[in-house]
Amino acid sequence: GENVEQHPSTLSVQEGDSAVIKCTYSDSASNYFPWYKQELGKRPQLIIDIRSNVGEKKDQRIAVTLNKTAKHFSLHITETQPEDSAVYFCAASINTNAGKSTFGDGTTLTVKP
Amino acid sequence: DVKVTQSSRYLVKRTGEKVFLECVQDMDHENMFWYRQDPGLGLRLIYFSYDVKMKEKGDIPEGYSVSREKKERFSLILESASTNQTSMYLCASCQTSTDTQYFGPGTRLTVL
Repeated sequence: GENVEQHPSTLSVQEGDSAVIKCTYSDSASNYFPWYKQELGKRPQLIIDIRSNVGEKKDQRIAVTLNKTAKHFSLHITETQPEDSAVYFCAASINTNAGKSTFGDGTTLTVKP
Repeated sequence: DVKVTQSSRYLVKRTGEKVFLECVQDMDHENMFWYRQDPGLGLRLIYFSYDVKMKEKGDIPEGYSVSREKKERFSLILESASTNQTSMYLCASCQTSTDTQYFGPGTRLTVL
């Protein structure tokens, strides 16, 4: 089955700096790659996603890049703010597999003011 | 707006008790999931369901069962709760066409 590895497990940055979280996946059939943000005590929520027919997607301060050949994708957050502090999960899924996603273990991002 | 609700936010049970966790979604999603979240271990899939009365084992099904009698409702059952099942349980749902998962608020279960 699919295996998703996520690095780093913890990341601490100064406010205003950029943060990058990387994930690798094993199943070349995976074609959907979402990123979820989980604030303390809250549920995970989708912040950005990318499908395999696209190499990069951007939404304001966040962007995701996908390298299908190398089977890795990354989350980039620019101009970080304290409210970006949260746990971030990457995931991979095959769109014909009943929505089943394999999640990375999560990255705890701390943005210091 | 998609709404996924779970029957309890906090639950305390005794070892050996039968425990029911219920999840309801209001967006007519085909697929529903139960995850367990433990520190450092991410989101581990227990069971999922792609249709009424259909279920598939996830990565850690041992000690759990599920029921989906109606499309909007997916129940997780701990037949005989054990202390190692103390955890945060998250339910999620998604449409087959998008795969984007919508999560419930979670149930923090403590088994004493």
